Amino acid sequence: DAGVIQSPRHEVTEMGQEVTLRCKPISGHDYLFWYRQTMMRGLELLIYFNNNVPIDDSGMPEDRFSAKMPNASFSTLKIQPSEPRDSAVYFCASSSRGRNSGPLYTDTQYFGPGTRLTVL
Amino acid sequence: SQKIEQNSEALNIQEGKTATLTCNYTNYSPAYLQWYRQDPGRGPVFLLLIRENEKEKRKERLKVTFDTTLKQSLFHITASQPADSATYLCAPRRGSGTYKYIFGTGTRLKVLA
Repeated sequence: DAGVIQSPRHEVTEMGQEVTLRCKPISGHDYLFWYRQTMMRGLELLIYFNNNVPIDDSGMPEDRFSAKMPNASFSTLKIQPSEPRDSAVYFCASSSRGRNSGPLYTDTQYFGPGTRLTVL
Repeated sequence: SQKIEQNSEALNIQEGKTATLTCNYTNYSPAYLQWYRQDPGRGPVFLLLIRENEKEKRKERLKVTFDTTLKQSLFHITASQPADSATYLCAPRRGSGTYKYIFGTGTRLKVLA
């Protein structure tokens, strides 16, 4: 398996522009997570999906951020308009608990390589 | 508010020694706690999961303890090697109603040859 795939790997944009980050989770995984990592705040969960449905978006900073998961193999995180304080590394992760995993599931999250976003 | 604390200072140890990393949490009662390893420019990689009813978990040279009374988890690497140099993140989670892990800021470990 190719693992979690993210694109682009690097993005440099100017303040006010729209930015779209993309993620392809591991096939068969039913959970997808978007994180943001900065030196100051560490790794923060922005939103997570279960079976393509957003479950917890309490970490989304503000209305400028939106995330979608139109199908089990694709998700996007959009920032519009972008601001310099959005500069960070954005990670996507996926996980599989399955319907019959019960207490023996591993709960492992598999992270992608990240997208380094710089907003000038 | 929930707070996860890891040693912000880098930890330098000599090759062959045991490295011990600390994760403390406050205003929180997790049922699960994970440890991840992160290398520069890469995403975190899962290492171990420990549940609240488990005192200790081992995997090869790794050992994790979970003390719900002290609200602390310790992560040990025995017979450390330079290849173990990385940042280690702890991430606790409550047991029900959420699948949300809260990550600490990580401790950078450097194993000196």
